[in-house]
Amino acid sequence: GAGVSQSPSNKVTEKGKDVELRCDPISGHTALYWYRQRLGQGLEFLIYFQGNSAPDKSGLPSDRFSAERTGESVSTLTIQRTQQEDSAVYLCASSPRFSEKLFFGSGTQLSVL
Amino acid sequence: AQRVTQPEKLLSVFKGAPVELKCNYSYSGSPELFWYVQYSRQRLQLLLRHISRESIKGFTADLNKGETSFHLKKPFAQEEDSAMYYCALSGYSGNTPLVFGKGTRLSVIA
Repeated sequence: GAGVSQSPSNKVTEKGKDVELRCDPISGHTALYWYRQRLGQGLEFLIYFQGNSAPDKSGLPSDRFSAERTGESVSTLTIQRTQQEDSAVYLCASSPRFSEKLFFGSGTQLSVL
Repeated sequence: AQRVTQPEKLLSVFKGAPVELKCNYSYSGSPELFWYVQYSRQRLQLLLRHISRESIKGFTADLNKGETSFHLKKPFAQEEDSAMYYCALSGYSGNTPLVFGKGTRLSVIA
């Protein structure tokens, strides 16, 4: 694909359920970011991966949140035991080198009922 | 710690009027500053970055280390400039993630 792909585009889940959000970065991009955007708020950094280095997890809001990345390709953000406050748009971005231009996906709108 | 502050959530200007979107930052190291823009129903995308010292779509931004600011300016606003604008910061060290401000929604009124 030509850009960063995220799936699903929309996810509605019940409180307490686990969800997985997927991100396919642009091929060859070594850096991958996850951000959260709550309604009316800015982008909240969650986690980033850079090549084979240990990920920076400093933005994850709780231990219910985790993310994995397979090499320099697909990443999955997992939220366990979802809460209503987890409702937000989850954005993924990749870049060819850390802190260079970021290319964003269209996001996953998560709604926790 | 890195911090980006955009004091205005909403800025409304008339077409043809000058625009200034404010951004202040806090960072102990050498910063790299960016402006990202999100037009309606489009993805967030890079508008410009300070190291390029370029003008994109008539917008410019100058890094002022003394005032720790990176305000975005355009002399004559156009309706198509209406969008959400985010200021972002990372460090040259390469060990800090890109941190965004809360964003400013620019509305250009015809």
